[in-house]
Amino acid sequence: DAKTTQPNSMESNEEEPVHLPCNHSTISGTDYIHWYRQLPSQGPEYVIHGLTSNVNNRMASLAIAEDRKSSTLILHRATLRDAAVYYCILLGIQGAQKLVFGQGTRLTINP
Amino acid sequence: DTEVTQTPKHLVMGMTNKKSLKCEQHMGHRAMYWYKQKAKKPPELMFVYSYEKLSINESVPSRFSPECPNSSLLNLHLHALQPEDSALYLCASSQDAQGDEKLFFGSGTQLSVL
Repeated sequence: DAKTTQPNSMESNEEEPVHLPCNHSTISGTDYIHWYRQLPSQGPEYVIHGLTSNVNNRMASLAIAEDRKSSTLILHRATLRDAAVYYCILLGIQGAQKLVFGQGTRLTINP
Repeated sequence: DTEVTQTPKHLVMGMTNKKSLKCEQHMGHRAMYWYKQKAKKPPELMFVYSYEKLSINESVPSRFSPECPNSSLLNLHLHALQPEDSALYLCASSQDAQGDEKLFFGSGTQLSVL
């Protein structure tokens, strides 16, 4: 399985944008880039995913590098409720069957 | 309804007990998953069911026995567990098993083995 590398932790302030990086230098052409987050005492929650183009939804934006070896999850205006562990995951053709979590980034939001 | 419901929320069992964890979804999803999560660690994939058939077993010990009686229901039968099996057990579902599908997770069952 292609691996991802994320910083262990990041800190930001409320109402400011947050950019969460993910490196995936061994990504294959058919791997989707998925982001999930896990709030305290809850199961993981889908955030966003993409293949080649940048993606936006109501929760976040996903910026994918042209060579696809890295991506960035963007929270446009962080709130205290965005404090969570964020996981960047690659999914191949077999898809959701092999959703394997890495260590993730623990995001702290300061009021 | 975009919910995955897991019961019970908490379970305490002895090493000689037999218990079951239950997971239910009514989204018409055809893929269902069990994950195990130890404290401060990421979830680890245990089993995957696709169209009610077991498609992936990540070398899980036989004291964990999954069952998918129908497309909406997933069980995890527990027998002769060890204290190190204490963890949060998460269930998830997805429409299908494709790379562009997203998973919906339940809130988990917190299991303590004494």
